[in-house]
Amino acid sequence: QSALTQPASVSGSPGQSITISCTGTSSDVGSYDRVAWYQQHPGKAPKLMVYEVIKRPSGVSNRFSGSKSGNTASLTVSGLQAEDEADYYCCSYAGSSTWVFGGGTKLTVL
Amino acid sequence: QVQLQESGPGLVKPSETLSLTCSVSGASISSYYWSWLRQPPGKGLEWIGYIYYSGSTHSNPSLESRVTMSVDVSKNQFSLRLKSVTAADTAIYYCAKYNSAWYGFDFWGQGTLVAVSS
Repeated sequence: QSALTQPASVSGSPGQSITISCTGTSSDVGSYDRVAWYQQHPGKAPKLMVYEVIKRPSGVSNRFSGSKSGNTASLTVSGLQAEDEADYYCCSYAGSSTWVFGGGTKLTVL
Repeated sequence: QVQLQESGPGLVKPSETLSLTCSVSGASISSYYWSWLRQPPGKGLEWIGYIYYSGSTHSNPSLESRVTMSVDVSKNQFSLRLKSVTAADTAIYYCAKYNSAWYGFDFWGQGTLVAVSS
């Protein structure tokens, strides 16, 4: 069970859109539509932003959207705002009641 | 609103056992799955395992041999024990509610830092 692969950092200007990728294998991301994304601000607990690849919990802005193709899931943040600056983690079901996270991506709003 | 709060020693000696408890309010512990996760300082998240109120557990294969989880329904709490700790187990430990319908961790505690040092 290896960690999912995410870029270490991405950046964008206010109002722009960015996409964070999350690459796994056919044993996790590729096999299940059970990918979630978490936002973590410094010193805070993670917050669930997207679940089951494309769904958003109540209260999460529709500027956050998820997708998946093959073994790679993606999180797109549109209309970037200063408050979106945070670390983002993907997480996938990996079979046998286990879960695996990505290494995290630092989003910087320029 | 579901709230979770971790408690336990902030310092554990190498080779000893780390013990943490998570107190839950706003939800019955008998109704959901409950999970432990951790994050070494400056690093990414790692899923440790989760437990159902019945006592059924599932753990990260990399930690399975050292992890024990339990639940106390009368106190609405659940606990983690991690034995034979080393410096590599130094991390912020989070408890979280696992939403089995969403396949995600939807409520988190604030986290507690546990350092392993002599």
